[in-house]
Amino acid sequence: RKEVEQDPGPFNVPEGATVAFNCTYSNSASQSFFWYRQDCRKEPKLLMSVYSSGNEDGRFTAQLNRASQYISLLIRDSKLSDSATYLCVVNMDPWNNDMRFGAGTRLTVKP
Amino acid sequence: NAGVTQTPKFRILKIGQSMTLQCTQDMNHNYMYWYRQDPGMGLKLIYYSVGAGITDKGEVPNGYNVSRSTTEDFPLRLELAAPSQTSVYFCASSPGQGLNTEAFFGQGTRLTVV
Repeated sequence: RKEVEQDPGPFNVPEGATVAFNCTYSNSASQSFFWYRQDCRKEPKLLMSVYSSGNEDGRFTAQLNRASQYISLLIRDSKLSDSATYLCVVNMDPWNNDMRFGAGTRLTVKP
Repeated sequence: NAGVTQTPKFRILKIGQSMTLQCTQDMNHNYMYWYRQDPGMGLKLIYYSVGAGITDKGEVPNGYNVSRSTTEDFPLRLELAAPSQTSVYFCASSPGQGLNTEAFFGQGTRLTVV
C-alpha cells in the first residue's frame, strides 16, 4: 500500500460545480496533514492545513478522519482559476518534518 | 521577498556527467529539503537537513549527495548522471519541527539526462 494515495483523476467539472477529493494514508501515527496546490510546471504551494475538527477557508473545506485514515478536500462553486493539481501531504514525523506527498489529483474547471 | 531560489531552472546532462543544483533561502529556516517529481507522480524526498552541518537521507537518496555548511544554502550534487535521474527537482524549506509547519518551495530545476 502506498503511504499516501489519492483519487487518480482527472476531474473535469463545469464552473460552479462542487468537487471532492479523497486521500488515504498508511501510517496511523501521522500527526499533521495538508493540501497543496500545484499549477502546471510550477512549484507546490500550501492551500490549507487539515485540522482534526475539520476546517474551512472560503470555498474550500478540508476534513480528517483518523479512524479511517483519510483526508478530504471539498471545493464549492468551482472557478476556472481552481484548475490545478491538488496534492495531499502527510507529515509522518513532525520532528523531522517527514512529509510524504500523494501523486496528486488533477482538476480542470471548464466554462 | 526572494524566498527559496533554485538554479539553474533547466539543464541537460550527458550520462556520466556531474552537476550541482543550487538552493538558497533567505527566510532563516532551519529545515531544508530536496525532492524530485517524476511525471504524474508525487514528490519523493531525496535528502533533508534540520540545520547547518546536519543532513539525512530521504526516500530516494541513491545517486545524490548534499551538504549544509550554512543555514541559507543546501546544494544537491549528482555525481554520475543517469537517465533515471531525469526529473524535476524541488528544493524547499520550513521554519522548524512541529505540527502544521508549511514548506516553501523553489521554482524547480528541470533536468534531462541523455
